Amino acid sequence: NAGVTQTPKFRVLKTGQSMTLLCAQDMNHEYMYWYRQDPGMGLRLIHYSVGEGTTAKGEVPDGYNVSRLKKQNFLLGLESAAPSQTSVYFCASIGFTGTGVEQYFGPGTRLTVT
Amino acid sequence: RKEVEQDPGPFNVPEGATVAFNCTYSNSASQSFFWYRQDCRKEPKLLMSVYSSGNEDGRFTAQLNRASQYISLLIRDSKLSDSATYLCVVTIGAGNTPLVFGKGTRLSVIA
Repeated sequence: NAGVTQTPKFRVLKTGQSMTLLCAQDMNHEYMYWYRQDPGMGLRLIHYSVGEGTTAKGEVPDGYNVSRLKKQNFLLGLESAAPSQTSVYFCASIGFTGTGVEQYFGPGTRLTVT
Repeated sequence: RKEVEQDPGPFNVPEGATVAFNCTYSNSASQSFFWYRQDCRKEPKLLMSVYSSGNEDGRFTAQLNRASQYISLLIRDSKLSDSATYLCVVTIGAGNTPLVFGKGTRLSVIA
């Protein structure tokens, strides 16, 4: 996955529990994204960051919070998990070079909320 | 109107066939365009960027029509290994972020 890792890979939560998903990249990329993917819905953007210390809302931000305290890490938090947050979560890291763009996704986190 | 719309598929084609995927986007200020490939239960992977002049990478050709806000991907001489879901991706603003994905078109190449 060219330097994008996600932790954990799988998790089962009970309704109301909290957790943090960690995305880490070692490519010095400025942009990082959190998506969720549900059957028939495609990838939907939750939050994103264009640099250390910055975050912005995406299409489906409700119920999630994020932080980018260090350039290489982008954390996604669920304060009070709900069954509707059962999904596969993908993190992406994007950097722009002189010759083009580098885009890599992590392997995903499969979250089930019961 | 959805920001990025794709043919719903699925496309089932025989080996060796040529297959085309189409995609339309709604934001005329979008600047960057990509095609991704996603295998079942795997992460999406960048297949190719799409440039205004069109670009080719082996059996894959991507085209962009800004006037019609339309992107296409052509796969020639399909292989079994091309079976996957193909995702059209667009940046939704004047900058290069964030990326917005279409729902994808599933391709099955049959022997």
